[in-house]
Amino acid sequence: SAVISQKPSRDICQRGTSLTIQCQVDSQVTMMFWYRQQPGQSLTLIATANQGSEATYESGFVIDKFPISRPNLTFSTLTVSNMSPEDSSIYLCSVAAGDTQYFGPGTRLTVL
Amino acid sequence: GENVEQHPSTLSVQEGDSAVIKCTYSDSASNYFPWYKQELGKRPQLIIDIRSNVGEKKDQRIAVTLNKTAKHFSLHITETQPEDSAVYFCAVEMWQGAQKLVFGQGTRLTINP
Repeated sequence: SAVISQKPSRDICQRGTSLTIQCQVDSQVTMMFWYRQQPGQSLTLIATANQGSEATYESGFVIDKFPISRPNLTFSTLTVSNMSPEDSSIYLCSVAAGDTQYFGPGTRLTVL
Repeated sequence: GENVEQHPSTLSVQEGDSAVIKCTYSDSASNYFPWYKQELGKRPQLIIDIRSNVGEKKDQRIAVTLNKTAKHFSLHITETQPEDSAVYFCAVEMWQGAQKLVFGQGTRLTINP
C-alpha cells in the first residue's frame, strides 16, 4: 500500500484564520480524497481532489470554505478557511488503489 | 445518495468470545464493502473487504459476510483479543467505479480480559 503523510499533524488556530493541510503520497495515484472526522464521529467525505482540475465537492461542502489543490499525482492540499470552533475536527486525506482506500495519519485541528 | 446504518454503536465482549457488527445500505448498485479499524489517535486501517460477487471472505480471525438481496453485510471477529479493542467502521462504495466511500457510524468494540 502507499505511504501517505500529512502536515501538520495537529494545530491550534484562532477563529477567522485559515489553515492549509498538506498530503503527500510516495507514489503516483489517480484518486485522492479529503475526509473530515468530527470528535467521536464517523468519516465524512469532503471532496475528491482531481489532478489538473477543480475538486469535486460533496453536498454540504463548498470550495470557498475548503479550497483544494492537486498540482500533481502525489500531492494535494486542503485549506480550511475562515475557521470557527465548529471546524475543530480531524482532517484525513486518502488515496485509492483500485477500490481500496488508504488513509493518511490525519491532521487534528482545534479552533479557539 | 447512499445511506449506511451500522449497529451496534458499542459492543463489549469477553476475551475469547466472538463479536459481530452489522451494516445495512440503501443502494442496490453498490459493489464494494470495506471494513476499517481505528485505534485511538490513529488513522483508519483497512482490515477486510468484500465485493458483491462474493458472499463471504475470511482472513484468520476476521470474516465478512454479504447479503446483497437484503442489502446488509457483517463483520465477524472470532477468538477476540484485547488488541481487537477499537472503533470499527463499515463503508460502502457510493456507486460502482466511483471509488468514493460512505461510512457507517462506527462501533466501539471493547474486549474485556
